[in-house]
Amino acid sequence: GQQVMQIPQYQHVQEGEDFTTYCNSSTTLSNIQWYKQRPGGHPVFLIQLVKSGEVKKQKRLTFQFGEAKKNSSLHITATQTTDVGTYFCAGQGDTGRRALTFGSGTRLQVQP
Amino acid sequence: DTEVTQTPKHLVMGMTNKKSLKCEQHMGHRAMYWYKQKAKKPPELMFVYSYEKLSINESVPSRFSPECPNSSLLNLHLHALQPEDSALYLCASSLDRGPMRGYTFGSGTRLTVV
Repeated sequence: GQQVMQIPQYQHVQEGEDFTTYCNSSTTLSNIQWYKQRPGGHPVFLIQLVKSGEVKKQKRLTFQFGEAKKNSSLHITATQTTDVGTYFCAGQGDTGRRALTFGSGTRLQVQP
Repeated sequence: DTEVTQTPKHLVMGMTNKKSLKCEQHMGHRAMYWYKQKAKKPPELMFVYSYEKLSINESVPSRFSPECPNSSLLNLHLHALQPEDSALYLCASSLDRGPMRGYTFGSGTRLTVV
């Protein structure tokens, strides 16, 4: 079955430093989504990428979808303490199955 | 209304109990999902409902029984659970036409089986 891995598992940064998490799928994806889950909270949808090579920005966050549609990345510029949480990528396979498989997640801790 | 509401927020149940988790949304989403999340792990898909019909069951044990009474409601009936079933149970919904869209998650039910 489809597997989605993320690295790193955990990252601790000083406020103001940049942060990147990488997501890799074992199979080609029709689209990939990114979610943020604050400690004690629930996943919140951030963005969806559909096209090969797509790049989208949301303020300090930059999302990329790989050319082969099997990998993706999320880059945060100049982290803030409000960025603390776990970031999950979630992919839909290209078989038409309408369900997301979540990546293993990257937990971000930001030191003020 | 852009929320998914889950009740109860916390539930403690014995292994012989029967309980139900409830999920409600009024966004007109016709796809609804149950996910299970253990601590420090990603959400794991359990069930998918599309237009009130069960479309995906991820080989979930029969002690979990989903139900979708109408397009706004999703239930998860629990019976004879095991302590290892303790987890955060998340309900989500999304549009179900055209390309898949982002999920809206509820705040979850934190279940403890004793």
